[in-house]
Amino acid sequence: DTAVSQTPKYLVTQMGNDKSIKCEQNLGHDTMYWYKQDSKKFLKIMFSYNNKELIINETVPNRFSPKSPDKAHLNLHINSLELGDSAVYFCASSQVASGANVLTFGAGSRLTVL
Amino acid sequence: GENVEQHPSTLSVQEGDSAVIKCTYSDSASNYFPWYKQELGKRPQLIIDIRSNVGEKKDQRIAVTLNKTAKHFSLHITETQPEDSAVYFCAASTPLEKLQFGAGTQVVVTP
Repeated sequence: DTAVSQTPKYLVTQMGNDKSIKCEQNLGHDTMYWYKQDSKKFLKIMFSYNNKELIINETVPNRFSPKSPDKAHLNLHINSLELGDSAVYFCASSQVASGANVLTFGAGSRLTVL
Repeated sequence: GENVEQHPSTLSVQEGDSAVIKCTYSDSASNYFPWYKQELGKRPQLIIDIRSNVGEKKDQRIAVTLNKTAKHFSLHITETQPEDSAVYFCAASTPLEKLQFGAGTQVVVTP
């Protein structure tokens, strides 16, 4: 069983469209994250949810809206897509309450905006 | 907030040689320092980590060292092999805080 799974793996869309990426973890972790990795490979945190509550919200355009229906799921919705949104988006989870901030990443979702 | 700098950005080594990647951090309260390896087209995966109460940790061919006074930590890979080719990320965090990643080091091991 995949520990952190995200869908879709690839997403190609036109500028201005709205799209969503879904993430699920079956590790029982209390915290989930969204990271953006651009072409230069830099891993930038976007959001973090702990037990369904938003705890980190980096400087991200408000076109990006995360939603956590329960602590095993964290979805990312992006409105009015722009060329600069093209990147690989990684979902991750960790059990922060254990004191070890070890991230388990999903396989990534490559978003291409044309 | 925490700021992590990582050097070099690219590192080419001959197979069998050693590779060293260095990181510095800014927040003296940081106490957890993991290293992630990301192979081409794959997800980042934890390879080794160290806490601030330990100065060095080793796992087969990889080792991490931590100098709390100087606020820097390093990854050492000995007897490099082609499968060590990847992007390596260092990171630092304080308890219950987000991990702050370095910019990554592209390691290329040539046969």
